[in-house]
Amino acid sequence: DVKVTQSSRYLVKRTGEKVFLECVQDMDHENMFWYRQDPGLGLRLIYFSYDVKMKEKGDIPEGYSVSREKKERFSLILESASTNQTSMYLCASSLGTQYFGPGTRLTVL
Amino acid sequence: AQRVTQPEKLLSVFKGAPVELKCNYSYSGSPELFWYVQYSRQRLQLLLRHISRESIKGFTADLNKGETSFHLKKPFAQEEDSAMYYCALAPGSARQLTFGSGTQLTVLP
Repeated sequence: DVKVTQSSRYLVKRTGEKVFLECVQDMDHENMFWYRQDPGLGLRLIYFSYDVKMKEKGDIPEGYSVSREKKERFSLILESASTNQTSMYLCASSLGTQYFGPGTRLTVL
Repeated sequence: AQRVTQPEKLLSVFKGAPVELKCNYSYSGSPELFWYVQYSRQRLQLLLRHISRESIKGFTADLNKGETSFHLKKPFAQEEDSAMYYCALAPGSARQLTFGSGTQLTVLP
């Protein structure tokens, strides 16, 4: 069974802080993704990666960066958190079908 | 660029009634279409994909290329079907998904 885990379920940060969201998958998947989920907007792709040290911008990359140093781990970084980045963040991994993590609810005050 | 439209944010039906969740897409090539579901307090999971043509939990969806639609249907809704449903599109051989804004289905007793 595919397991995608995210480091925190809930996170509260202050404006201007640097924030790290971690995602780990245990199925040796090449592809990993970060989305944000907002009511009325669905899921929007922030960044994705199809191999170690590779990254591609999604639809809304502004204000975010990512890191993929190991195949199983894909990190999302908010360099300077802002209130409009308050959201649910979902990580996914895939070979074909995407499998999702439980999500991190981030609140930026 | 591709786009997925789910025109209903909220949909309520009574138990035992038929249900149809609408999904329309715009993409010039041959996309792969998916339905994902998120039950309360659970992670997002794949419900079905058009290439498999299988029925999951009584749900079916047919890709209509003429109408560019991929509506999700179930003849007799159950209370446990209450959830958020997302339609998603993968363009050609691309790995990333474009999601619709989601439809919250409530099945009333």
